Amino acid sequence: DTGVSQDPRHKITKRGQNVTFRCDPISEHNRLYWYRQTLGQGPEFLTYFQNEAQLEKSRLLSDRFSAERPKGSFSTLEIQRTEQGDSAMYLCASSLVRENIQYFGAGTRLSVL
Amino acid sequence: GQNIDQPTEMTATEGAIVQINCTYQTSGFNGLFWYQQHAGEAPTFLSYNVLDGLEEKGRFSSFLSRSKGYSYLLLKELQMKDSASYLCAVRDSYSNYQLIWGAGTKLIIKP
Repeated sequence: DTGVSQDPRHKITKRGQNVTFRCDPISEHNRLYWYRQTLGQGPEFLTYFQNEAQLEKSRLLSDRFSAERPKGSFSTLEIQRTEQGDSAMYLCASSLVRENIQYFGAGTRLSVL
Repeated sequence: GQNIDQPTEMTATEGAIVQINCTYQTSGFNGLFWYQQHAGEAPTFLSYNVLDGLEEKGRFSSFLSRSKGYSYLLLKELQMKDSASYLCAVRDSYSNYQLIWGAGTKLIIKP
């Protein structure tokens, strides 16, 4: 059990560029979550997967955001045409269906210039 | 609606005890979580309460009163490494069992 890993840890991009983040969950975990967190706030739910199925997506999520989990293992989160307001920490978490506890990765910090 | 309130910041002394409160309003309460988050790091799980009462785990305890919409996290024998943000989150059946998060309480430990 190596925990949840996220890559990259930091990403600096220019406004208008596309970025993609990767999350590798704990190996036997079938649920995977994406959150966004800004300074002084709690995590804000973006979307979650059970195996390869995307079961829910936040209504607040712009259509510039898309996430995939093609084989039910790792997941990617893509942001198209980034804006300065997208600057935040993007957190990934995973859990077992039968268990309530979510385990988080260290996050990807995105800075949009 | 859904709402979770925690104090923004608290200060305590090394070796002392501190209680961090969390009040919540949700339509379909299905459990309350406490997480610890050091600056720039991932939240790490501390405790989970779904029934009323006190759950003790070493130096940390968590209490829940569902009728009052209230929880607290109690930290004993404070150490400098306990300086962190403490996040309260509620699982809500009306939101597809997703976690609704508070903004966190920044705890500062002074020697």
